[in-house]
Amino acid sequence: SAVISQKPSRDICQRGTSLTIQCQVDSQVTMMFWYRQQPGQSLTLIATANQGSEATYESGFVIDKFPISRPNLTFSTLTVSNMSPEDSSIYLCSAPAGGSGLYNEQFFGPGTRLTVL
Amino acid sequence: AQSVAQPEDQVNVAEGNPLTVKCTYSVSGNPYLFWYVQYPNRGLQFLLKYITGDNLVKGSYGFEAEFNKSQTSFHLKKPSALVSDSALYFCAVSINTNAGKSTFGDGTTLTVKP
Repeated sequence: SAVISQKPSRDICQRGTSLTIQCQVDSQVTMMFWYRQQPGQSLTLIATANQGSEATYESGFVIDKFPISRPNLTFSTLTVSNMSPEDSSIYLCSAPAGGSGLYNEQFFGPGTRLTVL
Repeated sequence: AQSVAQPEDQVNVAEGNPLTVKCTYSVSGNPYLFWYVQYPNRGLQFLLKYITGDNLVKGSYGFEAEFNKSQTSFHLKKPSALVSDSALYFCAVSINTNAGKSTFGDGTTLTVKP
């Protein structure tokens, strides 16, 4: 099983600023995913971070607001730009078991709890 | 498009009783189905999955789930609930043309009372 860490674990930010969240996997993975979760609610996929190519964004999410980097097969960052209180949420990164594949479950990081004032 | 429905926001059971958390899905094609659990202030943990084969799959912590293609369901079950099973449970589905992306249900909060 993969171990995924995220930094920071939580942050309180001012409106209009940006925050970069880091996600580190202890093994090489082809795909990494970024999700947003309101506490106690479902997960919404923001984007798929692909190594060596641009991230693939889901409907309703754009690169200017959520730029993603994927410099290697174990690391990714998600930036929440020009934040507003509506961006307050838990941000999760995940990676598939076995590093890739359509049939594999995902391992999740512990999440980053973001509060925007 | 793929979707998942968890019709119950909350399930309450007494310790020692069997529990069922319901999940139905809608996909075009063969579904890959997953259950995850989220304990308070912790990340999601994988419980079990159905890819193909036997309709009854067994997973972690004594949980099992039954894939029913005709009813498009994948209900999570456990014969005897523990207080420590109290958590938020998510059903998820993916399909082979979707690059491994999963769609998650809204979640069901399971409360097991002593």
